[in-house]
Amino acid sequence: GENVEQHPSTLSVQEGDSAVIKCTYSDSASNYFPWYKQELGKRPQLIIDIRSNVGEKKDQRIAVTLNKTAKHFSLHITETQPEDSAVYFCAAVRGANNLFFGTGTRLTVIP
Amino acid sequence: DGGITQSPKYLFRKEGQNVTLSCEQNLNHDAMYWYRQDPGQGLRLIYYSQIVNDFQKGDIAEGYSVSREKKESFPLTVTSAQKNPTAFYLCASSIGARGAANTGELFFGEGSRLTVL
Repeated sequence: GENVEQHPSTLSVQEGDSAVIKCTYSDSASNYFPWYKQELGKRPQLIIDIRSNVGEKKDQRIAVTLNKTAKHFSLHITETQPEDSAVYFCAAVRGANNLFFGTGTRLTVIP
Repeated sequence: DGGITQSPKYLFRKEGQNVTLSCEQNLNHDAMYWYRQDPGQGLRLIYYSQIVNDFQKGDIAEGYSVSREKKESFPLTVTSAQKNPTAFYLCASSIGARGAANTGELFFGEGSRLTVL
């Protein structure tokens, strides 16, 4: 089956700096890569996603890049703000909703 | 107000007891899922259902059971056979396998925290 690895497990950045979270996957058949954000005590919510036919996608301060050859994808957050503090999960999806999560990254933005 | 609702939010259980967690959605989604969340281990899939009256084991199904008698409902029973049931349980739904309409996005409930005493 698919194996998704996520690094780092914790990340602290100063407000205004950038944050990068990296994930690798094992199954070349995976074709959809969502990122979920889970604030403390709340449900995970989708923040951005990318399909395998695209190399990069941006949404304001958030971007995701995908390298299919190397089987890795990354989340980039620029100009971080305290409200970006949360746990972020990457995932790889193969076929109809076979979704495999990474182990999560706890991001802390220091004011 | 569309969404996915889990209950109860907090639950305490004595060892040896079965307990059922409720999950209801009014999003008209075909697919529903149960995940277990433990610190440092991300979200692990327990069971999933792509359609009514059908469900499949996930990665950690041992000690759990589910049913999908109605499209809107996917209850999870944590049985006494589950050796370490204390965890945070998340239910989710998605549109399902409808070809181009399937974005893969999961919509999560707010979770149920189970503590075994």
